[in-house]
Amino acid sequence: EDQVTQSPEALRLQEGESSSLNCSYTVSGLRGLFWYRQDPGKGPEFLFTLYSAGEEKEKERLKATLTKKESFLHITAPKPEDSATYLCAVQGPNSNYQLIWGAGTKLIIKP
Amino acid sequence: DARVTQTPRHKVTEMGQEVTMRCQPILGHNTVFWYRQTMMQGLELLAYFRNRAPLDDSGMPKDRFSAEMPDATLATLKIQPSEPRDSAVYFCASARSGDTQYFGPGTRLTVL
Repeated sequence: EDQVTQSPEALRLQEGESSSLNCSYTVSGLRGLFWYRQDPGKGPEFLFTLYSAGEEKEKERLKATLTKKESFLHITAPKPEDSATYLCAVQGPNSNYQLIWGAGTKLIIKP
Repeated sequence: DARVTQTPRHKVTEMGQEVTMRCQPILGHNTVFWYRQTMMQGLELLAYFRNRAPLDDSGMPKDRFSAEMPDATLATLKIQPSEPRDSAVYFCASARSGDTQYFGPGTRLTVL
């Protein structure tokens, strides 16, 4: 069964303390892996799509990487405004464009 | 700045009442998704449409939920009759075919 697991569930960091969030997936024939950011009371906001192992994408303090089994969202020198829940989702070859979602990692950056 | 819009943003109703939520997808997007989000279940896919045709509504309780796309600029999700367990945030997302999904701000539904 296709599955997405995110860890940790929650992560508290000091401002400037770099770390990584993990998204492990089991799907045969990955079509795409998506990262979203969700702020309280808002809809998920698209960050990145990764399509093949070895691919990396960056945006400001965020960098997403992909292997055949997992993806990491690296956060470098985070600021309090990076606090949010980060969601990972995958699209399989037979999904008819549906996404399988992880439960998310709640990131809190303390000033 | 193209965005998905949803109305209403908040809805409080009493058990047994009909609830209608509306979504305007991004212009040019031909795929529309309805999701429900709760603390316990996370994001659940309820139904989705491609070119206004329903492709999958297996995530929806069939006896009380219905989803339609009367035209390319409007998607609706109805609950009749509503129950307290339907309290959640309902999101609409749109995409261009199988591309990235873009989410609206959500409708927060409270059923008393």
